[in-house]
Amino acid sequence: DSGVTQTPKHLITATGQRVTLRCSPRSGDLSVYWYQQSLDQGLQFLIQYYNGEERAKGNILERFSAQQFPDLHSELNLSSLELGDSALYFCASSGEGSPYEQYFGPGTRLTVT
Amino acid sequence: ELKVEQNPLFLSMQEGKNYTIYCNYSTTSDRLYWYRQDPGKSLESLFVLLSNGAVKQEGRLMASLDTKARLSTLHITAAVHDLSATYFCAVVEYGNKLVFGAGTILRVKS
Repeated sequence: DSGVTQTPKHLITATGQRVTLRCSPRSGDLSVYWYQQSLDQGLQFLIQYYNGEERAKGNILERFSAQQFPDLHSELNLSSLELGDSALYFCASSGEGSPYEQYFGPGTRLTVT
Repeated sequence: ELKVEQNPLFLSMQEGKNYTIYCNYSTTSDRLYWYRQDPGKSLESLFVLLSNGAVKQEGRLMASLDTKARLSTLHITAAVHDLSATYFCAVVEYGNKLVFGAGTILRVKS
């Protein structure tokens, strides 16, 4: 158990809908990262937050947005969902200082029908 | 743009045999990670390699890093069935953004 929690574990929704994925980092970790894992794209970095501020952005679609709250939990919002958004979404967290190891949560499996 | 290539992408090996997974990356980086993923599960951190010549070992797995060649290897010694999983290398691009390889699916046959 990495100490990172994600909810829900599974989500099934229809095209065009909007969903919110939630992540709680390990105790004391200020950085939260979101990754998408799909069969065709592999594991891709989406976005990073550090202590409430956006720190780095990857291949995140404009339909997707994220935020990190004062209690350090993070939410990833996915809107106008398409079939191709079906994937495993992982959240990871890391602490201060080298080696900045990222600990991954159990993931949320999103299925868009 | 940093690219990370792993090979082989699929590896079927007999128990007791040795093999190596290779991870090449295209631009300079100061950190490389190896992760293991079981089917439908999360990623488990195996090794963090921080400097040229770094070597780390845990059980039957040993990872090394050559920053000049931009190459890391994950060596499996005397494979056992429990090592069957997908192995990913990931390289830091900027900040703490990780760029992952495509993964190597390892199947150990008894």
